[in-house]
Amino acid sequence: TQLLEQSPQFLSIQEGENLTVYCNSSSVFSSLQWYRQEPGEGPVLLVTVVTGGEVKKLKRLTFQFGDARKDSSLHITAAQPGDTGLYLCAGVPNNAGNMLTFGGGTRLMVKP
Amino acid sequence: GAGVSQTPSNKVTEKGKYVELRCDPISGHTALYWYRQSLGQGPEFLIYFQGTGAADDSGLPNDRFFAVRPEGSVSTLKIQRTERGDSAVYLCASSPTSGGYPGELFFGEGSRLTVL
Repeated sequence: TQLLEQSPQFLSIQEGENLTVYCNSSSVFSSLQWYRQEPGEGPVLLVTVVTGGEVKKLKRLTFQFGDARKDSSLHITAAQPGDTGLYLCAGVPNNAGNMLTFGGGTRLMVKP
Repeated sequence: GAGVSQTPSNKVTEKGKYVELRCDPISGHTALYWYRQSLGQGPEFLIYFQGTGAADDSGLPNDRFFAVRPEGSVSTLKIQRTERGDSAVYLCASSPTSGGYPGELFFGEGSRLTVL
């Protein structure tokens, strides 16, 4: 059982559709990050959320950190083929220093 | 280059052999992480260095795995008596953060290890 559970694991949608992916845990995190990874490359940071209830927007992407700091969501509006990739959430459990733990990822495919 | 560099990019070895994977972090970054990623899964934490010392090695799966960072820059992940289950992409990341939450991790492209 992973500390961070992501859902769905796979998502295939048409260009222009909206989608939400989730990152859930029973543990409290001091911060959560979202990364995007393309084949053959390392993950690249999209955003870091630190405060419970925080909402951050990055163009068509909206990130939310749960009030209790146990979960997060990523919402993409009007998805484009360029959004295709593996979306990973990662967090540092409280009192775990700098050990950044990743979820299993959501693999998104956006078809033109 | 300015990014994290990992060598080799691809390594094929036979079961039982010894392997070394090298990571050259971004200059000046004090924190260095090693992760292992299997196909279709998220990265699995192995070890974290702050400077020259291993601040957290709780993710190393067993004593066949060892990592060093003798001068606080380049790191080497060493795997003894490799097993087929060690096959994965080994990712290295560095971060400028010296305390508090990790901040942004900058990843290399990984070293793909295949154990036959």
